[in-house]
Amino acid sequence: QSALTQPASVSGSPGQSITISCTGSSSDVGGYNFVSWYQQLPGKAPKLMIYDVIHRPSGVSDRFSGSKSANTASLTISGLRAEDEADYYCVSYTSISTWVFGGGTKLTVL
Amino acid sequence: QVHLVQSGAEVKKPGASVKVSCNASGYTFTRFDMHWVRQAPGQGLEWMGWMAPSSGNGGLARKFQGRVILTRDITLSAAYMEVSSLTSEDTAVYYCARSAAEEFLVFWGQGTPVTVSS
Repeated sequence: QSALTQPASVSGSPGQSITISCTGSSSDVGGYNFVSWYQQLPGKAPKLMIYDVIHRPSGVSDRFSGSKSANTASLTISGLRAEDEADYYCVSYTSISTWVFGGGTKLTVL
Repeated sequence: QVHLVQSGAEVKKPGASVKVSCNASGYTFTRFDMHWVRQAPGQGLEWMGWMAPSSGNGGLARKFQGRVILTRDITLSAAYMEVSSLTSEDTAVYYCARSAAEEFLVFWGQGTPVTVSS
């Protein structure tokens, strides 16, 4: 199972919105609504930001939102803040009953 | 309050095996699946496998089949991940992680660094 495809890096200025894409296939992202997104700060364990494509866990800012179209899931962060600077990973359930992560995207807040 | 506490850092020689433990507290251990994820230095997250503590059933990513064994001790509320035939490519931080009802991998251990070096 190949890793899902994410851009290596994205950047934005404070207050702007950015979107991180996560592209897979009909055997993973496109076939199931089981896509989650994680934020990882340096030296820390990942933090769940979005689950089941669109849902936010309690305590996660509503500036974070998720969506999906065909084989591509997306994470949008609006009103960008300095503290959003981190690595972001998507993960999807697959047709062979496993899970696969994306390669990760480094978000830089300019 | 859910806690996943992992065993300490390990240094192993190529060809050796390593066993990482994940001690769970704050919930009924058998109610939720346990997953294992690793992250090589400067690299991304990699899903390794999962186990249902209640039954011992689970699954592994294809690349780890035959080399990784997941076990658990219900009496200790502990999950274990053993990797054999270690190479330098297995140098990574290994995490155990648990889902909530619908939220995937919401609770994480602190990570166990494993270094494979001759």
